[in-house]
Amino acid sequence: AQKVTQAQTEISVVEKEDVTLDCVYETRDTTYYLFWYKQPPSGELVFLIRRNSFDEQNEISGRYSWNFQKSTSSFNFTITASQVVDSAVYFCALRGGSGAQKLVFGQGTRLTINP
Amino acid sequence: NAGVTQTPKFQVLKTGQSMTLQCAQDMNHEYMSWYRQDPGMGLRLIHYSVGAGITDQGEVPNGYNVSRSTTEDFPLRLLSAAPSQTSVYFCASSLRSSGANVLTFGAGSRLTVL
Repeated sequence: AQKVTQAQTEISVVEKEDVTLDCVYETRDTTYYLFWYKQPPSGELVFLIRRNSFDEQNEISGRYSWNFQKSTSSFNFTITASQVVDSAVYFCALRGGSGAQKLVFGQGTRLTINP
Repeated sequence: NAGVTQTPKFQVLKTGQSMTLQCAQDMNHEYMSWYRQDPGMGLRLIHYSVGAGITDQGEVPNGYNVSRSTTEDFPLRLLSAAPSQTSVYFCASSLRSSGANVLTFGAGSRLTVL
């Protein structure tokens, strides 16, 4: 069975601090895809990144960076110099090769950036 | 390009009533799905479809029914609403059902069952 765990239910930091959101996954598939979605207070789900299981290169996009480590089954997300607009619920998700019909979500981490 | 459109955005039902949540996409996506979001539980898959005429159950299908008569539409029917179905419902679609495809989500429908 596939499973995604986001152990941090809520995180609160002061603006300009760096913050890392943890994501640990379980799957028996050798081919799989990991995703991060953002859900701002308005409620929609916004796609941030997709990473396949064969590409362990870290990725940076502006203030956002992602660290994928197959050895620890983790796909962590770091926001550098956080801003109030980063306040949202962030979801990590997994879509496997054999269970490709199903995108499995973690429980989500509510991130609050205080001015 | 509207993407994924869900209606209604808000609905209040009484226990036992039935209703249909509508979902339409204009991207010619083969794969469509319904999720429900509950506090502390992330999003859970209710039903999905890999093409017109093909549907299957997800993780939490009980109390819900779906059909896929066209590529564009994937309605979710609540047969006899229960308070446990109070939730936010999201419709999502992707070009194909393979894992590499990114799901595009609708804006969500908030349902309250009294």
